[in-house]
Amino acid sequence: GAGVSQSPSNKVTEKGKDVELRCDPISGHTALYWYRQRLGQGLEFLIYFQGNSAPDKSGLPSDRFSAERTGESVSTLTIQRTQQEDSAVYLCASSQSASGTYEQYFGPGTRLTVT
Amino acid sequence: AQTVTQSQPEMSVQEAETVTLSCTYDTSENNYYLFWYKQPPSRQMILVIRQEAYKQQNATENRFSVNFQKAAKSFSLKISDSQLGDTAMYFCAFMKHVKRGGADGLTFGKGTHLIIQP
Repeated sequence: GAGVSQSPSNKVTEKGKDVELRCDPISGHTALYWYRQRLGQGLEFLIYFQGNSAPDKSGLPSDRFSAERTGESVSTLTIQRTQQEDSAVYLCASSQSASGTYEQYFGPGTRLTVT
Repeated sequence: AQTVTQSQPEMSVQEAETVTLSCTYDTSENNYYLFWYKQPPSRQMILVIRQEAYKQQNATENRFSVNFQKAAKSFSLKISDSQLGDTAMYFCAFMKHVKRGGADGLTFGKGTHLIIQP
């Protein structure tokens, strides 16, 4: 596609439920990133995938968070047993790391509200 | 670990004025990249400008330029002839150097809310 897309754009869920957030990167981009943006804050890095390498999960805040990526395409971020502090905008980005420019292109984000 | 600090939570200037947003960072890395991203109310993050630490020349992109002071670990953004469409959150971000084909997450500051007044 022309840009990074994410779905859903908004998600409201009850505390304790599991949620799945989806990201479609730009075609051909080998690297994919997930970030969390709490209200009024900067972005926090969560995880990235790069080609066939093991993902860097160093930013995941707890074991309730996990992510998968199928090849060099779609990624899903799963939050289990959601808590109110998980409410945030979750942003996905992709980059073509072979280009050497390292520019990350961001999607519009998913706003998650845990009630 | 790296940290990025933006000390101006909000700034307001008149249209056509020049404004400078400050950013400082802390790292033990010698090679790295610095970025300024813009986030308008639409939530879409847009890259404004990029600087490689090994380049001494300050990056410029039309009305946007940076003042990169590596020794001081400072990376300020100057917006000339500001326009109403420049109103947005501006985030400074750091990425350590990776070899070609590699990747790494960005470390962001908390942002500066820039308001351009008509």
